Amino acid sequence: EIVLTQSPATLSLSPGERATLSCRASQSVSSYLAWYQQKPGQAPRLLIYDASNRATGIPARFSGSGSGTDFTLTISSLEPEDFAVYYCQQRSNWLFTFGPGTKVDIK
Amino acid sequence: QLQLQESGPGLVKPSETLSLTCTVSGGSISSSSYYWGWIRQPPGKGLEWIGSIYYSGSTYYNPSLKSRVTISVDTSKNQFSLKLSSVTAADTAVYYCARLYVTVTHWGQGTLVTVSS
Repeated sequence: EIVLTQSPATLSLSPGERATLSCRASQSVSSYLAWYQQKPGQAPRLLIYDASNRATGIPARFSGSGSGTDFTLTISSLEPEDFAVYYCQQRSNWLFTFGPGTKVDIK
Repeated sequence: QLQLQESGPGLVKPSETLSLTCTVSGGSISSSSYYWGWIRQPPGKGLEWIGSIYYSGSTYYNPSLKSRVTISVDTSKNQFSLKLSSVTAADTAVYYCARLYVTVTHWGQGTLVTVSS
């Protein structure tokens, strides 16, 4: 089973600042990594698939990069609606795992 | 557009079996390429994939839950279902049904299931 770790656990930033979130896999997942945003009381929303492709309707301030075992989600300039929890996810041999999440909160 | 809706009891007693159904609308559960599955989230915690099923009945389960989980599909009703046996308080969570490929493409709104006597 591939284990995903995310860092930091919490990121305290102000609107307008840049956010950099990390996801590391216990073994290579090639580019098959996705990022989700979850707000309280809501289901997660897909932001990025295949490591670097924005999902439909996702603003350009969200970008993903990486391959193999190390991945990054960058939010170039935080908007008030971006304060949320972010999860990475991989699928290997049809088994899915999620990272523990990074909470981006207002400083 | 594709919509998924969970249904089932919100309260289950310890040692009993949790049963949920997901009804798919706006698309066919028999669509090729996609799996249908369940993901849960304990209060205040992260996401855990439970398992997935193809319309043909092929299944994949989380190894940590495999001994207690059964996922089935009813293509005539455009539904799929989850059964989780021998539940404990640790199984209290919001349960989401979902459509899966390499990513989770669509989510239900989620339903809270509490395990308590």
